[in-house]
Amino acid sequence: DVKVTQSSRYLVKRTGEKVFLECVQDMDHENMFWYRQDPGLGLRLIYFSYDVKMKEKGDIPEGYSVSREKKERFSLILESASTNQTSMYLCASRTTGTLAKNIQYFGAGTRLSVL
Amino acid sequence: DQQVKQNSPSLSVQEGRISILNCDYTNSMFDYFLWYKKYPAEGPTFLISISSIKDKNEDGRFTVFLNKSAKHLSLHIVPSQPGDSAVYFCAASADNDMRFGAGTRLTVKP
Repeated sequence: DVKVTQSSRYLVKRTGEKVFLECVQDMDHENMFWYRQDPGLGLRLIYFSYDVKMKEKGDIPEGYSVSREKKERFSLILESASTNQTSMYLCASRTTGTLAKNIQYFGAGTRLSVL
Repeated sequence: DQQVKQNSPSLSVQEGRISILNCDYTNSMFDYFLWYKKYPAEGPTFLISISSIKDKNEDGRFTVFLNKSAKHLSLHIVPSQPGDSAVYFCAASADNDMRFGAGTRLTVKP
């Protein structure tokens, strides 16, 4: 089974803090993604990475950055947390194999509260 | 700009009856469609998918129907079980672009 692990289930941070959200996958997947989930808005893509050291902006990258130094790990960084970044953050990974390339596997999520 | 829309935020069904969850999309370039299921405190898990070359895909109690001319897909669950209570997201993809709907919360009552 594919396992995507997010380091924290719940986080509470203060406005202006630098926040790191970590994600690790164990299936040697090439692609990894960060989403945020908000009521009524579904999952919105923040950043994604096709491979190590590669990153691409998603639909809502403002206020975020990412790091992918190793294939299995994809980190989301909030440089200076703000209250509007309070949300559920979901990490996902995906293989590039033809048959399964559309299926993303998700972690359990990190619920971040910024006070 | 929501390219994938799930207009019903919630749905309540009696155990044993059919659940029908609907999804509409606007981008005609989407060629692969998926349904994900999400329980509280867990990440979404893949449920069933359909390619644009088909109009139906069945997997046990779950069937997805695709109407390309209407840009509409639906998920049928028959018979519904209390364990099916969850939030269901539909997703549509084209190449490397995947878009998710806002989700529908299904409650199956015993």
